[in-house]
Amino acid sequence: AQSVAQPEDQVNVAEGNPLTVKCTYSVSGNPYLFWYVQYPNRGLQFLLKYITGDNLVKGSYGFEAEFNKSQTSFHLKKPSALVSDSALYFCAVRPGSARQLTFGSGTQLTVLP
Amino acid sequence: GAGVSQSPSNKVTEKGKDVELRCDPISGHTALYWYRQSLGQGLEFLIYFQGNSAPDKSGLPSDRFSAERTGGSVSTLTIQRTQQEDSAVYLCASTGDGANYGYTFGSGTRLTVV
Repeated sequence: AQSVAQPEDQVNVAEGNPLTVKCTYSVSGNPYLFWYVQYPNRGLQFLLKYITGDNLVKGSYGFEAEFNKSQTSFHLKKPSALVSDSALYFCAVRPGSARQLTFGSGTQLTVLP
Repeated sequence: GAGVSQSPSNKVTEKGKDVELRCDPISGHTALYWYRQSLGQGLEFLIYFQGNSAPDKSGLPSDRFSAERTGGSVSTLTIQRTQQEDSAVYLCASTGDGANYGYTFGSGTRLTVV
C-alpha cells in the first residue's frame, strides 16, 4: 500500500524568503505525485504534479517541486514566499496502476510579514 | 458545471440521525471520489466511482456509511445513525479520463454531529 509523510505539521517563513514544504512517499512502481493547497473553508486546489520526465516540476503561483527517486521525496519549494501563500498544503501519491490518491497529513504554512 | 458542487455546505445534525451529502461533479468527468477530512488530520479516502464499474468501497469506515452515484453523475453519501466521531469535512472530487489527470475538489460539506 502507498503512503505519504509530511514530517512538519507547521512551517513558518518570513515574507521574501525561500520556502520548502517536505514530502516523502512510499509506493510500488512508478509514482504519480501531486501537491494541493487548501485555503480556509475551501476545497483543495491543484498546484502541480509529477508524472514522468523532468524531475523539476513547475506549477501554479510560482511553486515548484523536485522529484527525487533515490530519496523518495517530492518537496515543494518557492524562491520567495508571499503572505498570501499562507495555507494548508497536502502532498499526495498514487501508483501508476491505481486512480485513488493517498494524501499526507498536511503542512500548515505561515508566511510572516 | 464549471466546478464540483457540494451541498449542503454546512450540516448540523443530532446524534443518531441520518444525513445525506450531495456531490455534483464536473460534467463529463467519469471518476468521482469521496474523502473525509477530520480536524488536524489529512484526507481519508472513503469511496471511488469509475464509470459504470462497481465502486471501490474499501475506505468506508463502517456499514453506517454508503454512497451511490446515479446516472454516472451526481453522487450521494449517506451516513446512518450519525455519531459524534463522524463530525468532519466531507470532500468530493472528480476527474476525467487519462493518465495525467488531477482531482478537482468541491468546497466540501462540514458535518457537525451534536
